[in-house]
Amino acid sequence: SQTIHQWPATLVQPVGSPLSLECTVEGTSNPNLYWYRQAAGRGLQLLFYSVGIGQISSEVPQNLSASRPQDRQFILSSKKLLLSDSGFYLCAWSYDPSNSPLHFGNGTRLTVT
Amino acid sequence: AQKITQTQPGMFVQEKEAVTLDCTYDTSDQSYGLFWYKQPSSGEMIFLIYQGSYDEQNATEGRYSLNFQKARKSANLVISASQLGDSAMYFCAMREGYNTDKLIFGTGTRLQVFP
Repeated sequence: SQTIHQWPATLVQPVGSPLSLECTVEGTSNPNLYWYRQAAGRGLQLLFYSVGIGQISSEVPQNLSASRPQDRQFILSSKKLLLSDSGFYLCAWSYDPSNSPLHFGNGTRLTVT
Repeated sequence: AQKITQTQPGMFVQEKEAVTLDCTYDTSDQSYGLFWYKQPSSGEMIFLIYQGSYDEQNATEGRYSLNFQKARKSANLVISASQLGDSAMYFCAMREGYNTDKLIFGTGTRLQVFP
């Protein structure tokens, strides 16, 4: 069966520090991969998605970036965090774009201080 | 532009009763998909139910059913026989277009089930 792993679960980082969040999927090949962010008390906002290795689409311009160095690995990064980057970050995958749901990881709660 | 609206920030229901969570959507696409997710306090997003725009029957999954009214552009979630473990945030989401699974989400409804 397919599983998705996301780490770390929680992270506290100072303003201006770098960020690297990692997500890996097991049990499937060539999944579509997604990074979403959820601000406190809000819905989810799509940040990046990828349909293959090295293919990244950005939905919202900001100081975050994403990379997909391997088929089942998706990384969210920042060179310098802002206070507004605080939130709950969720990675998700899907392999059939017609009607299957997105499957989410357990999320990373990021607090920028 | 596609949009999902959930007008109920919070709902209360007594255990064993049914509850309806509202969701309306706006899209110019003829083909689209609608999803409901549950987010407990732990933060994970749990898929509950899916309705395709061409599905003639309302979707059902156990205690969850989707009241799909295409002309009114509404896709309300009905939870029957509520349980204490149903207390969570519930999000309605829509897939944009056909050959994509990018989802746009509503702002959610917090459901609290009391004994």
